[in-house]
Amino acid sequence: QQPVQSPQAVILREGEDAVINCSSSKALYSVHWYRQKHGEAPVFLMILLKGGEQKGHEKISASFNEKKQQSSLYLTASQLSYSGTYFCGTGFSGGYNKLIFGAGTRLAVHP
Amino acid sequence: DSGVTQTPKHLITATGQRVTLRCSPRSGDLSVYWYQQSLDQGLQFLIQYYNGEERAKGNILERFSAQQFPDLHSELNLSSLELGDSALYFCASSVASGGAGEQFFGPGTRLTVL
Repeated sequence: QQPVQSPQAVILREGEDAVINCSSSKALYSVHWYRQKHGEAPVFLMILLKGGEQKGHEKISASFNEKKQQSSLYLTASQLSYSGTYFCGTGFSGGYNKLIFGAGTRLAVHP
Repeated sequence: DSGVTQTPKHLITATGQRVTLRCSPRSGDLSVYWYQQSLDQGLQFLIQYYNGEERAKGNILERFSAQQFPDLHSELNLSSLELGDSALYFCASSVASGGAGEQFFGPGTRLTVL
């Protein structure tokens, strides 16, 4: 039931782009994206809901393919501050906003 | 600062002991969630409360229990502690119970069991 994230790790130079994927074997109601820096709390990035509604930070973009139960997070023109571990959390209809998180994707951005 | 507070920040205790972790949600949030994060691992959902009632349960051990009080703060009780319980414990809060609301995470409590 845990969603699968890919890749497990990414190394970028500043200014480069990356895509992080999240895939579930179960029909999804929502996908949440968070970024966590080492030793800190996860920080909300974006929610994507079944039906097309999205809410999140302006500089972050993501997609949600309901039929394939997949979501992708697009990081463009990366900055050093983008470094951290990205988690997707999947929500299910009737799940009371309970989220199942993937194992995470580690992103390192270098100058 | 998410507006969610957790105390204590660090806790060191011995095997077999019992501890209580405390969480105060953001003002206006009725839902509280507890997560466990072991070293370099993902976030494991433990339990959710909404306005004082348990709403969803994850992989929470029988040795663990939680409650949400009338003032909406929540406590996670961990008993008969084992070495493997050492982890970061996060509390998160949201306005929503059902549907999909963004969750705001507190700074976490780092539990070390020796």
